[in-house]
Amino acid sequence: AQSVSQHNHHVILSEAASLELGCNYSYGGTVNLFWYVQYPGQHLQLLLKYFSGDPLVKGIKGFEAEFIKSKFSFNLRKPSVQWSDTAEYFCAVIHYNTDKLIFGTGTRLQVFP
Amino acid sequence: DAGVTQSPTHLIKTRGQQVTLRCSPKSGHDTVSWYQQALGQGPQFIFQYYEEEERQRGNFPDRFSGHQFPNYSSELNVNALLLGDSALYLCASSLDQGGYEQYFGPGTRLTVT
Repeated sequence: AQSVSQHNHHVILSEAASLELGCNYSYGGTVNLFWYVQYPGQHLQLLLKYFSGDPLVKGIKGFEAEFIKSKFSFNLRKPSVQWSDTAEYFCAVIHYNTDKLIFGTGTRLQVFP
Repeated sequence: DAGVTQSPTHLIKTRGQQVTLRCSPKSGHDTVSWYQQALGQGPQFIFQYYEEEERQRGNFPDRFSGHQFPNYSSELNVNALLLGDSALYLCASSLDQGGYEQYFGPGTRLTVT
């Protein structure tokens, strides 16, 4: 079955620390990749996306992600986190032939001042 | 420009009852997808509607059904509610171009007692 794995379930960091959240998917073939963020009390928002081209994509709020096709990975990074980055982060994949967005289980990030 | 809207915000139902949730897509979008997000989990794809027809479906029983109207708005119906149907139900809209980003609404929190 097609799946998305997020290995970090809960991450706790201090402000200014660097962040990397792992995401692996089980599809073969062409995929579109996404990271969504859910701030406390808010709805899911798109953080960044990869469709094709440069495998290093930049999103909002200083986030970036790197698509490594050989590793089926799409890890999310931020050089220096802020308290306001406290949220739930979801990796998601669409196989280009479908519109079924498959989500990982999410990573809860807590950033302390 | 209005984003995706959902109603109601919260709903409490009893086992065996039926429920209808509503969604209005983002302006200009013609495709609506529904997801179920259980506590502590990532959203799971229920089904997608385009041109008033169900185009794709996830692993959900026939108790889950839907409808799309000519103005692209959509309804999710769940019959014979079970305790396990308690979740946040998310609606997402997109353009029918296959595999493109989806915009999410705030969700409807359904509690089945």
